[in-house]
Amino acid sequence: GQNIDQPTEMTATEGAIVQINCTYQTSGFNGLFWYQQHAGEAPTFLSYNVLDGLEEKGRFSSFLSRSKGYSYLLLKELQMKDSASYLCAVLDSNYQLIWGAGTKLIIKP
Amino acid sequence: KAGVTQTPRYLIKTRGQQVTLSCSPISGHRSVSWYQQTPGQGLQFLFEYFSETQRNKGNFPGRFSGRQFSNSRSEMNVSTLELGDSALYLCASSSGTGHTDTQYFGPGTRLTVL
Repeated sequence: GQNIDQPTEMTATEGAIVQINCTYQTSGFNGLFWYQQHAGEAPTFLSYNVLDGLEEKGRFSSFLSRSKGYSYLLLKELQMKDSASYLCAVLDSNYQLIWGAGTKLIIKP
Repeated sequence: KAGVTQTPRYLIKTRGQQVTLSCSPISGHRSVSWYQQTPGQGLQFLFEYFSETQRNKGNFPGRFSGRQFSNSRSEMNVSTLELGDSALYLCASSSGTGHTDTQYFGPGTRLTVL
């Protein structure tokens, strides 16, 4: 079967750095997405990785290792508004998105 | 550019009833995907429509159906509602021209089945 694993919940302090991990086992791989979802709102696109390595976008970076079936989202200089759920999704061989259950990130002052 | 819109935002139904949810994609987008989101389960893919044709389908029973109109607007129907159908139903639109298109989500319809 296809599986995406993420921690259920993480807590971090304002101004700090946090890394949210995602491991996957899917039938084929055509890229990995990260989305942010604030409570009661729609998921919004953060990043897309298809090649190994680190992609940086401001305070957010996303890393991919296809050989290890592993990705992480790195958030720097955390702000209170970063409190949200972070969803990892993999595009499988049929170009269907397989979603993780999401990681709820709690930021404390 | 207006975002993805979904109506209604909230819905309360009883078991056995049926419901129709609507999604209007971003202008110019031809692909609409539907998802069910429940706590702890993540997003479960229902189906994707492109140019009025169902292009992809998840593992949901036949009680869940959908369609897409010529203006790319899409509807999703759930018949014979069960308590377990209570969830947030999200639709997402994309251009549909590339398999790795970014999906843009609507705010969702919160369905409660009593």
